[in-house]
Amino acid sequence: NAGVTQTPKFQVLKTGQSMTLQCAQDMNHNSMYWYRQDPGMGLRLIYYSASEGTTDKGEVPNGYNVSRLNKREFSLRLESAAPSQTSVYFCASRILPGQGSGELFFGEGSRLTVL
Amino acid sequence: EDQVTQSPEALRLQEGESSSLNCSYTVSGLRGLFWYRQDPGKGPEFLFTLYSAGEEKEKERLKATLTKKESFLHITAPKPEDSATYLCTVVSGNTGKLIFGQGTTLQVKP
Repeated sequence: NAGVTQTPKFQVLKTGQSMTLQCAQDMNHNSMYWYRQDPGMGLRLIYYSASEGTTDKGEVPNGYNVSRLNKREFSLRLESAAPSQTSVYFCASRILPGQGSGELFFGEGSRLTVL
Repeated sequence: EDQVTQSPEALRLQEGESSSLNCSYTVSGLRGLFWYRQDPGKGPEFLFTLYSAGEEKEKERLKATLTKKESFLHITAPKPEDSATYLCTVVSGNTGKLIFGQGTTLQVKP
């Protein structure tokens, strides 16, 4: 049972380039999330999908887009990468819809550097 | 404004030296408080959920407690393998949003 799988694990981009971070979960969870983690800032929510077919903005959505491809997959796209988007990105899922109770299951992270 | 503050930011202990980590919160209508452990280069891993004041949960050397204003993660006789960053998050009853603290980095020396 893989849980939450993120690809790629590491990526270096030049300013202005685009890329997509992929996330898949095999736990039949309804909700999926993208967070970024920066030193001294904690985990900040970028976008989430409460259920298949829906997506909503989180705390720091600017510069990102998401797609909930199906119940298993939730991708995060950077259309024109900026150095401020250098961070560690975590995908997470939880069984319940919405943002309420229920623990999150996290992937191992994608480390992105924008030069 | 909903807020979660963890203290201390960093904690160094000798093996066997018990201590506590603090998570103070101000939210409108707590709907749940979660503790996670995060190892370097890994994603956070769920430890405990607490829902109401007075509730306690235990797992090996860890014990989490909850009051109306804060939660403590007590570590009894820690071992080097307990070294990690411990994250606290609360669910706001008003907004349903998850609010993360910045974490406490624990180092246990043999």
